[in-house]
Amino acid sequence: EAGVTQFPSHSVIEKGQTVTLRCDPISGHDNLYWYRRVMGKEIKFLLHFVKESKQDESGMPNNRFLAERTGGTYSTLKVQPAELEDSGVYFCASSQSGEYGYTFGSGTRLTVV
Amino acid sequence: DQQVKQNSPSLSVQEGRISILNCDYTNSMFDYFLWYKKYPAEGPTFLISISSIKDKNEDGRFTVFLNKSAKHLSLHIVPSQPGDSAVYFCAASYTYNTDKLIFGTGTRLQVFP
Repeated sequence: EAGVTQFPSHSVIEKGQTVTLRCDPISGHDNLYWYRRVMGKEIKFLLHFVKESKQDESGMPNNRFLAERTGGTYSTLKVQPAELEDSGVYFCASSQSGEYGYTFGSGTRLTVV
Repeated sequence: DQQVKQNSPSLSVQEGRISILNCDYTNSMFDYFLWYKKYPAEGPTFLISISSIKDKNEDGRFTVFLNKSAKHLSLHIVPSQPGDSAVYFCAASYTYNTDKLIFGTGTRLQVFP
């Protein structure tokens, strides 16, 4: 079974540019989560999709961040315009309903310069 | 305000000995706790969990202890192996799986020969 796939693995962009991160969850997983870890700090929740619907987006930092999940399959996280403080590792995770413990992807390391 | 705290950023243990990783939390509404292990350039991997109705859960070399009155949990690894060297994250949630996870900052464990 393929795991959670994220790409790109690394992205370096200039302040003010736009970046789109993509996540392909494990097939059949209804739940999809985005998390972020900044500068060795805690891994922080951003949002939770159930199929194509946003179940909880309480962790989204501001309106420069836009997440979508097309047809309940893959998800994208767009940052526009990017700021220096957006640098960090963005993790995606997925799970089946009723299952404990997420499966995380390897993350996308975003560097804004 | 950090609700899940891992006050030791790093721990060094000799192979074969016990590793004890600690985690404190502040919110008494947490009812499920998880430990994740993370290798460099990889996503966190689920290790072991415990429900608030229990005080101990064991899985092979890994045991998690929960002290609700002290709002403290610990992960014991016995015996420690060099392959256990990784960053360990403690996480908590309010409901079984489908809610967001609140992570600590992680403890880097190094197991030396």
